[in-house]
Amino acid sequence: DGGITQSPKYLFRKEGQNVTLSCEQNLNHDAMYWYRQDPGQGLRLIYYSQIVNDFQKGDIAEGYSVSREKKESFPLTVTSAQKNPTAFYLCASSSGAGQPQHFGDGTRLSIL
Amino acid sequence: QKEVEQDPGPLSVPEGAIVSLNCTYSNSAFQYFMWYRQYSRKGPELLMYTYSSGNKEDGRFTAQVDKSSKYISLFIRDSQPSDSATYLCAMSKRGGTSYGKLTFGQGTILTVHP
Repeated sequence: DGGITQSPKYLFRKEGQNVTLSCEQNLNHDAMYWYRQDPGQGLRLIYYSQIVNDFQKGDIAEGYSVSREKKESFPLTVTSAQKNPTAFYLCASSSGAGQPQHFGDGTRLSIL
Repeated sequence: QKEVEQDPGPLSVPEGAIVSLNCTYSNSAFQYFMWYRQYSRKGPELLMYTYSSGNKEDGRFTAQVDKSSKYISLFIRDSQPSDSATYLCAMSKRGGTSYGKLTFGQGTILTVHP
């Protein structure tokens, strides 16, 4: 079954710690995206990547970093510079501009 | 002003009702329109995708786009308790530096009670 796998489902971060969220897709999509979802605010774009070894900042990139070394993988690191990291993080992929995005089931990040 | 406005509800209807969900947008550059359904603690699931004005039907769901009014709607006929979820509208622009980026509405929380 083709799809997007996000792990872990739940993650806890201590003060001053960096954490990495995993996103893997087997849809052979070129483009991948990371969103943050907060209650009542819809989805906000953090980073996106159109192709391997290339990525662009979204609307709320501060305190986050990404890499795209393989087509299938687009991990997101939440750094200690992100002062309000508690949120639901969603990864998505698409086959190109104008095409719908397909989402994983998210990672819920909380502060310890 | 947000580029995409969606009434967050919540909306509560009895089983069997017709549900109407709406979004308005301000930028005429939006050319592709989507509706997603999101259950609690899950990722959004694509329901409808369209890129032209008019209606598109899929089972109990009808998506309507009016580009002249910058208004999109999703209608759900014969609503079921299993339709209880958050519904998100999303749209994207054609090409350029906005490659594939989606702009989402806030989402409308729908509850269908038996």
